[in-house]
Amino acid sequence: DTEVTQTPKHLVMGMTNKKSLKCEQHMGHRAMYWYKQKAKKPPELMFVYSYEKLSINESVPSRFSPECPNSSLLNLHLHALQPEDSALYLCASSQHPGQGAGETQYFGPGTRLLVL
Amino acid sequence: AQSVTQLGSHVSVSEGALVLLRCNYSSSVPPYLFWYVQYPNQGLQLLLKYTTGATLVKGINGFEAEFKKSETSFHLTKPSAHMSDAAEYFCAVRRSEGGTSYGKLTFGQGTILTVHP
Repeated sequence: DTEVTQTPKHLVMGMTNKKSLKCEQHMGHRAMYWYKQKAKKPPELMFVYSYEKLSINESVPSRFSPECPNSSLLNLHLHALQPEDSALYLCASSQHPGQGAGETQYFGPGTRLLVL
Repeated sequence: AQSVTQLGSHVSVSEGALVLLRCNYSSSVPPYLFWYVQYPNQGLQLLLKYTTGATLVKGINGFEAEFKKSETSFHLTKPSAHMSDAAEYFCAVRRSEGGTSYGKLTFGQGTILTVHP
């Protein structure tokens, strides 16, 4: 089973709202990732969690706040977003962060976010 | 630093024709290479990957790719296109050794494949 689940599938929020995106995997993976994907573009890495600790932050604005409560769950808290933050937000997981010849990232279906 | 170039943002083929999607990479260390497919309004699905060993890699849905170090290429092929292959395809590279970008995937810009009857 290589399933990564994400909720909600769609989210519409105003610029003053606070919302959260949720990602879950039960593959025993110890690395989890958030990506942002704009239309017609490749995914852009935002954050990497390695063994529940934040290991990479790609200079993401503080209005995006990641959280990894346990090894299976990854959240992305959103506050005071801008319309340009509208995008598909993808979560991914891998067995170990960057280790091993077969290290592969498995992606969830994404959350389509619209900021009004 | 590493980078990926996918030649052709759009490729159109007839059903039953050969599919060839091109990917060239740049990496200062031996790379790990991946092809992902993305159907409309969905996440990315792994098609195949090259890590070490055999340079011809077979993946799901009849796709395969060949790692050519001398040409720094990892082109994706399928002998006979099917309507269900219509999607966007991303080539990605990852470092195989340490460094600040260790473990990070670098994606190409993507190629949209259209299959017409």
